[in-house]
This record gives sequence, structure tokens and C-alpha cells, in this order.
Amino acid sequence: EPEVTQTPSHQVTQMGQEVILRCVPISNHLYFYWYRQILGQKVEFLVSFYNNEISEKSEIFDDQFSVERPDGSNFTLKIRSTKLEDSAMYFCASSATGLSGNTIYFGEGSWLTVV
Amino acid sequence: GESVGLHLPTLSVQEGDNSIINCAYSNSASDYFIWYKQESGKGPQFIIDIRSNMDKRQGQRVTVLLNKTVKHLSLQIAATQPGDSAVYFCAENNHGSGNTGKLIFGQGTTLQVKP
Repeated sequence: EPEVTQTPSHQVTQMGQEVILRCVPISNHLYFYWYRQILGQKVEFLVSFYNNEISEKSEIFDDQFSVERPDGSNFTLKIRSTKLEDSAMYFCASSATGLSGNTIYFGEGSWLTVV
Repeated sequence: GESVGLHLPTLSVQEGDNSIINCAYSNSASDYFIWYKQESGKGPQFIIDIRSNMDKRQGQRVTVLLNKTVKHLSLQIAATQPGDSAVYFCAENNHGSGNTGKLIFGQGTTLQVKP
């Protein structure tokens, strides 16, 4: 079964450092997403991406965050200057379309710890 | 504002019993709902979905019920097994944001299955 893959599975970084989280969405999907989950809390939407541009972003997704599809397979989330409160599990997801009712599949997540 | 939530943070059931996990949502414009299962340290795993033009949908051992009158969603798991132990999230597709596939998650219910 096709799946969304993410790397790294866990990263520890110093506050103020840049972090890049990588994702390979399901191959025939066109819509890509990043969500995050702070420990013990619910999953929160960060950003959706289609046709090489951001479709929608949440309040969490401020100027410190950026996304990119550098090639035909990877989708990345960059945090320019990490803060302690950025510590969370970051999930990449993808769907075939962005229409309501289209299943969104999640990766296993990248656990980011900022110290 | 819109929100999706669950009634109980933890549900403990005996193996073999049926489980019912509840969710309340507030956005009456929502037209698509999904249940995800999240095991410890993993990403949300799609279980079952339902569109707002339906009130019931069945899968393998799972049934989702939608009551739009009271804005209530439930997940029923038949003959609960130890492997069903996880956190269950309901999610709402935010149709109001357009075709972006943005999901709004509830807080989650932890299902504990006792052998």
C-alpha cells in the first residue's frame, strides 16, 4: 500500500537553529500538507500546498516556516530559527485532490525536540 | 469559532465488547468527517469517513454515525480487540476554507482494551 514517508524520525536541535523536515508524499497525489502535534495535544493544521504554492496556512505557520517541493518527489518543511515551543511531532500528509471528501493520508511523523 | 471535540478523554472496555467513541462538532457547514486512529509514536491512520449527506456508514468492524441535527459523530467498534487500543480522533474537513483539504481535529479519546 502506498504511504507517505518522512525523515528524520527524530531530530534534536538547538534553539535558533534551522531545521528541515522531509517528506515523500504518495506518488500520484497532488495536494500536500504539514500538520503538527504537541505532546498530548490534538493534531493541528499548518499548511496546504498545491501546484507549487501554498493553498492555505494557519496562524501557526508564521514567517519562520516555509515549505518547498524541490523536485518531483520531496516536500519539505523548513523552520528558520527554531524556538522551544516548536518542539512537536510534525506530520506530512497528502491527498489525490484537495476536495472535501478526499482521503488525506499521514506519514509516521518527525519528532522535533528543540533544546 | 469552529471546533471539533470528543466527549471523553479515555474509554476503557473489555476485550470482545463493543466500543462507542463520541465526537461533537460546532461547524454546521462541515460536509465531511473522518475518524483516525493514532497508535503511540505513529501518525494518524485513516479508519472510516462519512459525508454529510449520509447518517451511517459501515466498514470492517467499524461504523460511523452522523447526526447533523445535534452535530454529533460517533465511531462504533465491534468486538474490540487489544490491537484497537489507541487514541481516536475525529476530524472535520473545513469546506469553508475551499478546496484545500484542511482538517480540523478533535482532542482525541484514548481507547484502552482490557484483556
